[in-house]
Amino acid sequence: AQSVTQLDSHVSVSEGTPVLLRCNYSSSYSPSLFWYVQHPNKGLQLLLKYTSAATLVKGINGFEAEFKKSETSFHLTKPSAHMSDAAEYFCVVRSYSSASKIIFGSGTRLSIRP
Amino acid sequence: EPEVTQTPSHQVTQMGQEVILRCVPISNHLYFYWYRQILGQKVEFLVSFYNNEISEKSEIFDDQFSVERPDGSNFTLKIRSTKLEDSAMYFCASSGETTGVPGNQPQHFGDGTRLSIL
Repeated sequence: AQSVTQLDSHVSVSEGTPVLLRCNYSSSYSPSLFWYVQHPNKGLQLLLKYTSAATLVKGINGFEAEFKKSETSFHLTKPSAHMSDAAEYFCVVRSYSSASKIIFGSGTRLSIRP
Repeated sequence: EPEVTQTPSHQVTQMGQEVILRCVPISNHLYFYWYRQILGQKVEFLVSFYNNEISEKSEIFDDQFSVERPDGSNFTLKIRSTKLEDSAMYFCASSGETTGVPGNQPQHFGDGTRLSIL
């Protein structure tokens, strides 16, 4: 069965420094992977998606993620954090056995220090 | 950019009452979904819907729950005889596959309805 593990429940960085949010996946097949962001009292916004094309995926707001099959990872990065990046981030995998279903990680709360 | 809209943003209901949560998916999308997020827990899949019928449902989606597309634009989740543990944020989503098989199209989410059962 597919699953994702977000290794950090909370990450805090200073404004202007790099962001790294870690995600490892478990899948017997080539997975479809996504990162979503949830700002307070808002819905889930798609940041980026990986669907077996380029392994380095660029998303919105300067975020990108690299699919590494050897490490079963799909970490989210950004070179320079902004205050507006403070939110909850979810790594998501599409289920292979039932493709209409997506499986969420437990989330990483990103805090930005001024 | 088109978006999924959900109403109401917050619903407060007495235990045992029925609630209907409403969603307007993106207009040219064919697949619709409901998820829920209990406070402090993961976002959980409830149900997917295509061509006027349920295509998949989770073990959470028991006889207490039902979904309907009453017209060409709305997609509703009905919860009968609500329980305290139904308190959660409920998210609607839609995706833009053009065939009958869900593929690699991402799901687009609404802002959610916070359901509070008293």
